[in-house]
Amino acid sequence: ETGVTQSPTHLIKTRGQQVTLRCSSQSGHNTVSWYQQALGQGPQFIFQYYREEENGRGNFPPRFSGLQFPNYSSELNVNALELDDSALYLCASSLGPAGTSTDTQYFGPGTRLTVL
Amino acid sequence: QKEVEQNSGPLSVPEGAIASLNCTYSDRGSQSFFWYRQYSGKSPELIMSIYSNGDKEDGRFTAQLNKASQYVSLLIRDSQPSDSATYLCAVRSNTGGFKTIFGAGTRLFVKA
Repeated sequence: ETGVTQSPTHLIKTRGQQVTLRCSSQSGHNTVSWYQQALGQGPQFIFQYYREEENGRGNFPPRFSGLQFPNYSSELNVNALELDDSALYLCASSLGPAGTSTDTQYFGPGTRLTVL
Repeated sequence: QKEVEQNSGPLSVPEGAIASLNCTYSDRGSQSFFWYRQYSGKSPELIMSIYSNGDKEDGRFTAQLNKASQYVSLLIRDSQPSDSATYLCAVRSNTGGFKTIFGAGTRLFVKA
């Protein structure tokens, strides 16, 4: 049990729709990262937020966007869904910035998104 | 060249043996290195973190880091069937913004 929760557990959408996924970090964790994990692959880094500001982004198009709130919750929004967006979406929270012993990330259980 | 590379496996070892998992990375600015275990259908679970060159031991697990060779490894001693899972190597850096890159994972099977 990492103390990181995600909702919903599963979600089915159709191509072209928009989706919002939610994450609640451990209390006090200022950094949250979102990942996309396709079947049989490692997690792919989407972006990272630190104190409500995006401070790192992977190779994902702008239709992937996020928000982080002061209450340690965050959202991942995906617009104009494509079939290839079907994956497990993971959020992970950590206490501090990279390069310190406080940047260990703890993962939530994930949201399984299926795009039809 | 992939940013973080792992042998996909599967790696099969008998119960009680040592399992050796390897990972190489390309970004010399990387600062933090992690090993996660992931069971099928579950999210990654942290096993070890390592930040400086050398070995770090935690129970049956030992992580080794060599920044000059851009190499990270994980040794699992006295392997148990319950260790059968996919092991993910992750590297964090702030080159061009903060990011965490995962390898594709190595599948480990421990035979009873």
